[in-house]
Amino acid sequence: GAVVSQHPSWVICKSGTSVKIECRSLDFQATTMFWYRQFPKQSLMLMATSNEGSKATYEQGVEKDKFLINHASLTLSTLTVTSAHPEDSSFYICSAEGTRHTYEQYFGPGTRLTVT
Amino acid sequence: GENVEQHPSTLSVQEGDSAVIKCTYSDSASNYFPWYKQELGKRPQLIIDIRSNVGEKKDQRIAVTLNKTAKHFSLHITETQPEDSAVYFCAARGSYIPTFGRGTSLIVHP
Repeated sequence: GAVVSQHPSWVICKSGTSVKIECRSLDFQATTMFWYRQFPKQSLMLMATSNEGSKATYEQGVEKDKFLINHASLTLSTLTVTSAHPEDSSFYICSAEGTRHTYEQYFGPGTRLTVT
Repeated sequence: GENVEQHPSTLSVQEGDSAVIKCTYSDSASNYFPWYKQELGKRPQLIIDIRSNVGEKKDQRIAVTLNKTAKHFSLHITETQPEDSAVYFCAARGSYIPTFGRGTSLIVHP
C-alpha cells in the first residue's frame, strides 16, 4: 500500500516551453501533497505544499507564477513549470500524506527535467 | 521555523561495522522524526520513524533514538552491508511543514 506515482519520469524540453508533471496517490487518498526540488548530491528543497481544493502554499523564494501547482482531487496534484529555462533543470519529487494525519510521507519516483 | 542539522555529510565504513548518523533540531514542538534512504536517481524511502512519546525504536538492523531534552535523534545501522550504501536523510515535523537534513552519504566497503 501507499504507492505514489509520478509522470513523466523524465522529460526534455526547449527553453520557453511549459512542462506538466503529475503526482498520483494510487491506493490512498492524499489530503496533502508536497513538491520538492533536488539538485545533485543535495537535500530535498521544499517548493510548495498543496491541499486538495485549495491554493498551494509556496516556500519563500519559489515563484508561484512560474511553478503552478494544482491539487484537483484527493489523488492527483500537478506541477507545471511555465516558460522553462535551463536553470529549471532539476529532479522534481512529489510526496503525499494520507488522510490519517500521521505525518507519514510517501514519495513519488521523481521527474528528471532537462531544459535545453 | 524548524532547522535540522545532520552529521556527518559522508560516512565510510567496512562491511559488518556499525554506522551512526546524528541530527539535531531546533523546534521543541517537533514530534515526528522519520529517516529516509535514497539511492542514486531514486525516490526517498522511509526506513524508520519515531515519535516524541518514544525514546527508541528498532527494526532489525536499524534503530533510531530520540533525546527530546537535547533535541537530537540518531540513526543506528548495525552489521552494515554494501546494499546499505545510499544517502540517508533525517527530518523533523511538528508544524505543517517537514524539514529535512542535508543528508549523509553512507559508503559500505565490502
